[in-house]
Amino acid sequence: GQNIDQPTEMTATEGAIVQINCTYQTSGFNGLFWYQQHAGEAPTFLSYNVLDGLEEKGRFSSFLSRSKGYSYLLLKELQMKDSASYLCAVEGDYKLSFGAGTTVTVRA
Amino acid sequence: SAVISQKPSRDICQRGTSLTIQCQVDSQVTMMFWYRQQPGQSLTLIATANQGSEATYESGFVIDKFPISRPNLTFSTLTVSNMSPEDSSIYLCSVESLARTVNTQYFGPGTRLTVL
Repeated sequence: GQNIDQPTEMTATEGAIVQINCTYQTSGFNGLFWYQQHAGEAPTFLSYNVLDGLEEKGRFSSFLSRSKGYSYLLLKELQMKDSASYLCAVEGDYKLSFGAGTTVTVRA
Repeated sequence: SAVISQKPSRDICQRGTSLTIQCQVDSQVTMMFWYRQQPGQSLTLIATANQGSEATYESGFVIDKFPISRPNLTFSTLTVSNMSPEDSSIYLCSVESLARTVNTQYFGPGTRLTVL
């Protein structure tokens, strides 16, 4: 089975940094994805990790440790538009299993 | 990335009726996926639909309740049959497409279903 855990909510101020952790225990692993989902909208792809280490993409970075079953998404220089739900998803057996999502609220 | 459209965008239906949701992609794709997202929750995979074969359903989902068609490489439908209020949810289709060097899933805008 798949077990993917991430915090329910996080709050941060504009311009700050927030780190969203994700731990997983899955029966197969072909990669880990992070998606952003604004309220009432479809998820959009943010990042992908398959090897250990940090992947940087502008203000967003994602880290993976396969041995620890751990990933994090780092959001830097937070903007109001970053207020959204962030979903951690693990690919195994050609399908994605999603965590429950972390709702990030950015305050002015 | 693939551009995906869904119809209808939302609907309100009566208990016991059925609704068919359409998903159209602007390019040919091998694998299409149907998800459900209940209020305040994350996405749950219903089934994987490949063209020319029967859909593969996840645990807890059955073909009689959620029949799926995949007539070609750009289109799929999901029917929610004999609906009850518990079926009220957002239904999303997704496709796998190449994003730079990574095969990733892109999602349609979703269909918001309310069952009375």
